[in-house]
Amino acid sequence: GENVEQHPSTLSVQEGDSAVIKCTYSDSASNYFPWYKQELGKRPQLIIDIRSNVGEKKDQRIAVTLNKTAKHFSLHITETQPEDSAVYFCALGGGTSYGKLTFGQGTILTVHP
Amino acid sequence: DTAVSQTPKYLVTQMGNDKSIKCEQNLGHDTMYWYKQDSKKFLKIMFSYNNKELIINETVPNRFSPKSPDKAHLNLHINSLELGDSAVYFCASSPNRGVGGANVLTFGAGSRLTVL
Repeated sequence: GENVEQHPSTLSVQEGDSAVIKCTYSDSASNYFPWYKQELGKRPQLIIDIRSNVGEKKDQRIAVTLNKTAKHFSLHITETQPEDSAVYFCALGGGTSYGKLTFGQGTILTVHP
Repeated sequence: DTAVSQTPKYLVTQMGNDKSIKCEQNLGHDTMYWYKQDSKKFLKIMFSYNNKELIINETVPNRFSPKSPDKAHLNLHINSLELGDSAVYFCASSPNRGVGGANVLTFGAGSRLTVL
């Protein structure tokens, strides 16, 4: 079945540095890979997603890369700012996780000014 | 207009009580979900309904009973509450059930349940 491992569980960076969060998965039939950001006390919100026919997608300071052969995908945040501080979740959709998203364990990102 | 709204936002109750959380979406989506987020922030799916039909039931105790009167509403009733039920419960919706494709979820603001 579907399983997704997310690392690191916590990440602390200085403002302006880059941050990278990685997720690995086991279900090779998965075909949808979103990332959600959850600020303290708020709801998770989609920030970027990628589908299995694309290797990389960028949206301003954030990017997601996908390696289907190795079954991992990563979130890259460049020029981090204090407002990027939040919990980030990767997720898997499609394949045997039909009808649902399976979330990673989350990464607490802290950006120090 | 709030896209996915759930009530109540906070719920504090005693062990053994029964409580309900309500969810409504005005996005015209076909599929709705309940997710549970525990104290370690782990988000786990509980139930999913597609156009009022139950499609996912993830080994949740039968004290939890979802009900979907129509595709815009999904409620969660919990009987005989236990300490371990304390969590934030998120309702979410998506345009479709994601058959072979994407499940873009829109979440509600969450309902924080505290069982004393």
